[in-house]
Amino acid sequence: QTVVTQEPSLTVSPGGTVTLTCASSTGAVTSGYYPNWFQQKPGQAPRALIYSTSNRHSWTPARFSGSLLGGKAALTLSGVQPEDEAEYYCLLYNDSAWVFGGGTKLTVL
Amino acid sequence: QVQLVQSGAEVKEPGASVKVSCKASGYTFTSFGFIWVRQAPGQGLEWMGYISTSDDHIRYAQKFQGRVTMTTDTSTSTAYVELRSLRPDDTAVYYCARDERYIVDYWGQGTLVTVSS
Repeated sequence: QTVVTQEPSLTVSPGGTVTLTCASSTGAVTSGYYPNWFQQKPGQAPRALIYSTSNRHSWTPARFSGSLLGGKAALTLSGVQPEDEAEYYCLLYNDSAWVFGGGTKLTVL
Repeated sequence: QVQLVQSGAEVKEPGASVKVSCKASGYTFTSFGFIWVRQAPGQGLEWMGYISTSDDHIRYAQKFQGRVTMTTDTSTSTAYVELRSLRPDDTAVYYCARDERYIVDYWGQGTLVTVSS
Protein backbone atom coordinates (compact mmCIF):
# COMPACT_ATOMS: atom_id res chain seq x y z
CA GLN A 1 0.00 0.00 0.00
CA THR A 2 1.53 3.28 -1.17
CA VAL A 3 1.92 6.00 1.44
CA VAL A 4 2.06 9.60 0.25
CA THR A 5 3.74 12.11 2.56
CA GLN A 6 3.32 15.88 2.75
CA GLU A 7 4.58 18.45 5.23
CA PRO A 8 1.98 18.65 8.02
CA SER A 9 2.17 22.42 8.23
CA LEU A 10 3.94 25.42 6.72
CA THR A 11 3.84 29.14 7.42
CA VAL A 12 4.45 31.90 4.89
CA SER A 13 4.25 35.68 4.98
CA PRO A 14 1.90 37.55 2.65
CA GLY A 15 3.65 38.21 -0.64
CA GLY A 16 6.17 35.46 0.00
CA THR A 17 6.87 32.19 -1.76
CA VAL A 18 6.40 28.70 -0.39
CA THR A 19 6.85 25.20 -1.80
CA LEU A 20 4.81 22.22 -0.65
CA THR A 21 6.05 18.73 -1.50
CA CYS A 22 4.54 15.30 -2.01
CA ALA A 23 6.61 12.13 -1.65
CA SER A 24 5.76 8.50 -2.39
CA SER A 25 6.84 5.51 -0.32
CA THR A 26 7.41 3.63 -3.59
CA GLY A 27 10.28 5.90 -4.64
CA ALA A 28 10.74 8.97 -6.79
CA VAL A 29 7.58 10.64 -8.02
CA THR A 30 7.57 10.93 -11.80
CA SER A 31 5.13 12.34 -14.34
CA GLY A 32 3.68 8.82 -14.57
CA TYR A 33 2.15 9.36 -11.12
CA TYR A 34 0.05 12.16 -12.68
CA PRO A 35 0.25 14.43 -9.60
CA ASN A 36 -2.86 16.44 -8.87
CA TRP A 37 -3.09 19.19 -6.24
CA PHE A 38 -6.16 20.44 -4.38
CA GLN A 39 -6.97 23.27 -2.01
CA GLN A 40 -9.53 22.86 0.75
CA LYS A 41 -10.84 25.55 3.06
CA PRO A 42 -12.81 24.74 6.23
CA GLY A 43 -16.33 23.56 5.54
CA GLN A 44 -15.81 23.46 1.78
CA ALA A 45 -15.26 20.76 -0.81
CA PRO A 46 -11.76 20.46 -2.24
CA ARG A 47 -10.97 22.62 -5.25
CA ALA A 48 -8.68 21.35 -8.00
CA LEU A 49 -5.56 23.43 -8.68
CA ILE A 50 -3.07 21.41 -10.73
CA TYR A 51 -3.18 18.20 -12.79
CA SER A 52 -0.55 16.03 -14.47
CA THR A 53 2.28 17.58 -12.47
CA SER A 54 2.20 21.15 -13.75
CA ASN A 55 -1.01 21.97 -15.63
CA ARG A 56 -3.30 24.62 -14.16
CA HIS A 57 -7.06 24.37 -14.49
CA SER A 58 -8.75 27.31 -16.18
CA TRP A 59 -9.70 28.77 -12.77
CA THR A 60 -6.30 28.34 -11.08
CA PRO A 61 -4.45 31.60 -10.41
CA ALA A 62 -1.06 31.90 -12.09
CA ARG A 63 0.66 32.20 -8.69
CA PHE A 64 0.14 28.44 -8.25
CA SER A 65 2.62 26.25 -10.11
CA GLY A 66 3.38 22.54 -10.06
CA SER A 67 6.63 20.69 -10.74
CA LEU A 68 8.81 17.72 -9.89
CA LEU A 69 11.53 18.55 -7.40
CA GLY A 70 14.12 16.19 -5.96
CA GLY A 71 12.03 13.06 -6.56
CA LYS A 72 8.83 14.62 -5.23
CA ALA A 73 5.86 16.43 -6.68
CA ALA A 74 5.85 20.09 -5.66
CA LEU A 75 3.34 22.92 -5.49
CA THR A 76 4.82 26.42 -5.35
CA LEU A 77 2.82 29.48 -4.37
CA SER A 78 4.42 32.78 -5.39
CA GLY A 79 3.16 36.11 -4.09
CA VAL A 80 1.02 34.42 -1.46
CA GLN A 81 -2.30 36.07 -0.67
CA PRO A 82 -4.18 35.89 2.66
CA GLU A 83 -6.91 33.87 0.95
CA ASP A 84 -4.37 31.13 0.18
CA GLU A 85 -4.52 30.02 3.81
CA ALA A 86 -5.96 26.52 3.51
CA GLU A 87 -5.22 22.79 3.56
CA TYR A 88 -3.49 21.47 0.45
CA TYR A 89 -3.62 17.87 -0.71
CA CYS A 90 -1.67 16.05 -3.38
CA LEU A 91 -3.00 13.00 -5.19
CA LEU A 92 -0.80 10.42 -6.89
CA TYR A 93 -1.69 7.56 -9.24
CA ASN A 94 0.19 4.31 -8.68
CA ASP A 95 -0.55 0.64 -9.37
CA SER A 96 -4.02 1.41 -10.76
CA ALA A 97 -5.09 3.35 -7.68
CA TRP A 98 -5.12 6.94 -6.48
CA VAL A 99 -3.60 7.83 -3.11
CA PHE A 100 -3.95 11.15 -1.30
CA GLY A 101 -1.25 12.69 0.78
CA GLY A 102 -2.06 13.57 4.35
CA GLY A 103 -2.36 17.27 3.57
CA THR A 104 -0.37 20.41 4.38
CA LYS A 105 -1.95 23.14 6.48
CA LEU A 106 -0.69 26.42 5.06
CA THR A 107 -0.82 29.42 7.36
CA VAL A 108 -0.39 32.93 5.96
CA LEU A 109 0.99 35.12 8.72
CA GLN B 1 -21.45 25.03 -16.38
CA VAL B 2 -20.33 21.73 -14.91
CA GLN B 3 -22.14 20.83 -11.70
CA LEU B 4 -22.06 17.76 -9.48
CA VAL B 5 -24.93 17.81 -6.99
CA GLN B 6 -24.95 15.19 -4.26
CA SER B 7 -27.79 13.82 -2.17
CA GLY B 8 -28.50 15.01 1.35
CA ALA B 9 -27.10 14.03 4.72
CA GLU B 10 -27.81 10.57 6.08
CA VAL B 11 -27.90 9.07 9.57
CA LYS B 12 -27.51 5.32 9.75
CA GLU B 13 -27.22 2.70 12.46
CA PRO B 14 -24.20 0.40 12.62
CA GLY B 15 -24.59 -2.54 10.26
CA ALA B 16 -26.84 -0.66 7.84
CA SER B 17 -26.09 0.44 4.28
CA VAL B 18 -26.04 3.87 2.70
CA LYS B 19 -26.27 4.95 -0.93
CA VAL B 20 -25.08 8.41 -1.93
CA SER B 21 -25.89 9.92 -5.32
CA CYS B 22 -24.07 12.47 -7.48
CA LYS B 23 -26.05 14.06 -10.30
CA ALA B 24 -23.98 15.59 -13.09
CA SER B 25 -24.94 18.36 -15.46
CA GLY B 26 -23.32 20.77 -17.88
CA TYR B 27 -21.28 18.25 -19.87
CA THR B 28 -21.52 14.91 -21.66
CA PHE B 29 -21.88 12.41 -18.83
CA THR B 30 -20.20 9.51 -20.62
CA SER B 31 -17.05 11.49 -21.39
CA PHE B 32 -15.79 11.44 -17.81
CA GLY B 33 -15.52 8.90 -15.02
CA PHE B 34 -15.93 9.49 -11.30
CA ILE B 35 -13.90 8.96 -8.20
CA TRP B 36 -15.39 8.76 -4.74
CA VAL B 37 -13.50 10.25 -1.82
CA ARG B 38 -14.34 10.47 1.86
CA GLN B 39 -13.15 12.66 4.70
CA ALA B 40 -13.67 11.70 8.33
CA PRO B 41 -14.14 14.58 10.79
CA GLY B 42 -10.89 16.52 11.16
CA GLN B 43 -9.03 14.09 8.91
CA GLY B 44 -7.61 14.05 5.39
CA LEU B 45 -9.01 12.89 2.08
CA GLU B 46 -9.29 9.16 1.34
CA TRP B 47 -9.78 7.70 -2.16
CA MET B 48 -12.47 5.01 -2.24
CA GLY B 49 -12.51 4.06 -5.90
CA TYR B 50 -13.12 4.94 -9.54
CA ILE B 51 -15.91 4.13 -11.97
CA SER B 52 -16.00 4.69 -15.70
CA THR B 53 -19.19 5.94 -17.33
CA SER B 54 -18.30 4.61 -20.79
CA ASP B 55 -17.22 1.00 -20.13
CA ASP B 56 -17.17 -1.56 -17.34
CA HIS B 57 -14.02 -0.33 -15.67
CA ILE B 58 -14.33 -0.06 -11.90
CA ARG B 59 -11.53 0.00 -9.36
CA TYR B 60 -12.04 -0.04 -5.58
CA ALA B 61 -9.48 0.82 -2.94
CA GLN B 62 -8.35 -2.34 -1.22
CA LYS B 63 -9.68 -1.07 2.11
CA PHE B 64 -13.27 -1.04 0.81
CA GLN B 65 -13.24 -4.20 -1.32
CA GLY B 66 -16.31 -6.32 -0.57
CA ARG B 67 -18.14 -3.52 1.20
CA VAL B 68 -18.54 -0.89 -1.51
CA THR B 69 -20.35 -0.78 -4.84
CA MET B 70 -20.11 2.05 -7.36
CA THR B 71 -22.62 2.39 -10.17
CA THR B 72 -23.78 4.90 -12.74
CA ASP B 73 -27.08 5.60 -14.48
CA THR B 74 -26.50 7.24 -17.84
CA SER B 75 -30.24 7.89 -18.29
CA THR B 76 -30.18 10.32 -15.35
CA SER B 77 -26.47 11.31 -15.48
CA THR B 78 -26.05 10.12 -11.92
CA ALA B 79 -23.27 8.25 -10.15
CA TYR B 80 -23.81 6.29 -6.95
CA VAL B 81 -21.74 4.83 -4.17
CA GLU B 82 -23.15 2.28 -1.74
CA LEU B 83 -21.32 1.31 1.43
CA ARG B 84 -22.55 -1.67 3.45
CA SER B 85 -22.00 -2.96 6.98
CA LEU B 86 -21.52 0.56 8.25
CA ARG B 87 -19.40 1.17 11.33
CA PRO B 88 -19.07 4.33 13.45
CA ASP B 89 -15.70 5.02 11.81
CA ASP B 90 -17.45 5.29 8.44
CA THR B 91 -18.81 8.61 9.67
CA ALA B 92 -17.48 11.08 7.12
CA VAL B 93 -18.27 13.49 4.33
CA TYR B 94 -18.43 11.59 1.06
CA TYR B 95 -17.48 13.39 -2.17
CA CYS B 96 -17.79 12.54 -5.83
CA ALA B 97 -15.37 14.11 -8.29
CA ARG B 98 -14.99 13.94 -12.03
CA ASP B 99 -11.95 12.04 -13.28
CA GLU B 100 -10.76 11.26 -16.78
CA ARG B 101 -7.29 10.63 -18.14
CA TYR B 102 -5.78 11.24 -14.70
CA ILE B 103 -7.33 14.68 -14.39
CA VAL B 104 -9.55 15.23 -11.33
CA ASP B 105 -11.36 18.51 -11.73
CA TYR B 106 -14.93 19.17 -10.55
CA TRP B 107 -16.20 18.05 -7.13
CA GLY B 108 -19.61 17.59 -5.59
CA GLN B 109 -20.54 19.56 -2.49
CA GLY B 110 -20.20 16.51 -0.22
CA THR B 111 -22.66 14.34 1.69
CA LEU B 112 -22.34 13.84 5.44
CA VAL B 113 -22.98 10.26 6.51
CA THR B 114 -23.26 9.74 10.25
CA VAL B 115 -23.15 6.22 11.66
CA SER B 116 -24.48 6.06 15.19
CA SER B 117 -26.77 3.96 17.32
